[in-house]
Amino acid sequence: GEDVEQSLFLSVREGDSSVINCTYTDSSSTYLYWYKQEPGAGLQLLTYIFSNMDMKQDQRLTVLLNKKDKHLSLRIADTQTGDSAIYFCAETFYNTDKLIFGTGTRLQVFP
Amino acid sequence: KAGVTQTPRYLIKTRGQQVTLSCSPISGHRSVSWYQQTPGQGLQFLFEYFSETQRNKGNFPGRFSGRQFSNSRSEMNVSTLELGDSALYLCASSFQGATYNEQFFGPGTRLTVL
Repeated sequence: GEDVEQSLFLSVREGDSSVINCTYTDSSSTYLYWYKQEPGAGLQLLTYIFSNMDMKQDQRLTVLLNKKDKHLSLRIADTQTGDSAIYFCAETFYNTDKLIFGTGTRLQVFP
Repeated sequence: KAGVTQTPRYLIKTRGQQVTLSCSPISGHRSVSWYQQTPGQGLQFLFEYFSETQRNKGNFPGRFSGRQFSNSRSEMNVSTLELGDSALYLCASSFQGATYNEQFFGPGTRLTVL
């Protein structure tokens, strides 16, 4: 089935690392994504990982994928106030653009 | 290169009316997908179109329909509007090449049903 879960809120101090977690149920996903949504805006793709990879690093962002446990995480190093937003994980499958989104995690960064 | 554009950005309708939303993909992109975002249900997939053909459909009632034109522009229509249709409607486009397809999202159309 298609079910993607995330914790609702995360609050971190500026300069600390943030870790946002995501669990999914469908093991046939091909790519997994992290999107960011700021108030009143659409979705911005932050990074993605192919389902046969374990880790991907992209500047301040590190994605970890544990396919056995169907667990995806996004680590943001040196979190800034501009990182405050809602973060969605999403999965997609072979030969389709259809995205199954997680419930979203609201990240609040305080000084 | 211009991004994905959606029109109108805001819309207010009353129950029972119908509405048409438009999405213009990035030039050269052939795939358009639509999503509904509400506080209660989150982001839910509506449809996916590729080369004027509906390739996938989400779990929405028949009041929700869509189409794609030969220039890849897409429209979605909601008939007999209900209060629960109030949402942000997002569309995304991608090139649909052989491997990884990055999807680019538009800013959305915020529909309010009174």
